[in-house]
Amino acid sequence: GAVVSQHPSWVICKSGTSVKIECRSLDFQATTMFWYRQFPKQSLMLMATSNEGSKATYEQGVEKDKFLINHASLTLSTLTVTSAHPEDSSFYICSGTSGGPQETQYFGPGTRLLVL
Amino acid sequence: LAKTTQPISMDSYEGQEVNITCSHNNIATNDYITWYQQFPSQGPRFIIQGYKTKVTNEVASLFIPADRKSSTLSLPRVSLSDTAVYYCLVGDTYKYIFGTGTRLKVLA
Repeated sequence: GAVVSQHPSWVICKSGTSVKIECRSLDFQATTMFWYRQFPKQSLMLMATSNEGSKATYEQGVEKDKFLINHASLTLSTLTVTSAHPEDSSFYICSGTSGGPQETQYFGPGTRLLVL
Repeated sequence: LAKTTQPISMDSYEGQEVNITCSHNNIATNDYITWYQQFPSQGPRFIIQGYKTKVTNEVASLFIPADRKSSTLSLPRVSLSDTAVYYCLVGDTYKYIFGTGTRLKVLA
């Protein structure tokens, strides 16, 4: 299957600082990328969808000014958590797909964020 | 969007075949059925996808009856390393909704 990487794999930061997470599709062009959040013992929740070169579409309840998403190329998307607070501590997972609505999403390994 | 229902958890023993059934009564004509596996602190891993009848790959089989209102993921001869959460997803890849999944525990 296609490979998606994320960096960093884990990050600890102080409350009020910003954190950037990178998501890369290594062997395919991801026309669409997705960002999910997963709290312990819970399922994945879609935060936003982005297409290369376009503004991201955020799910209801997700603050677009807090979670900045950039999808500058067909292989790179970034999620910046601005002014992070302890409640933003979570597991963030990205995924990408290369084609139409029936194309499989390929997921990255996830990034564990801990805000102190 | 078709909602899915899966058992919350299942236990099995090593070497057994495990069948996990997913109910999706409102599946649309164009919807595909996709299964993912997730280990703790990892992203979901694609297992198999199908539209109707039976699909088989090197790790699993997917059985879909004619009415497509349910599907069954079959894992042959599970091992301890198959302990994970399994998600059934139905519909458009642009709007995946992850349910609770099925937490499979394989016992020695």
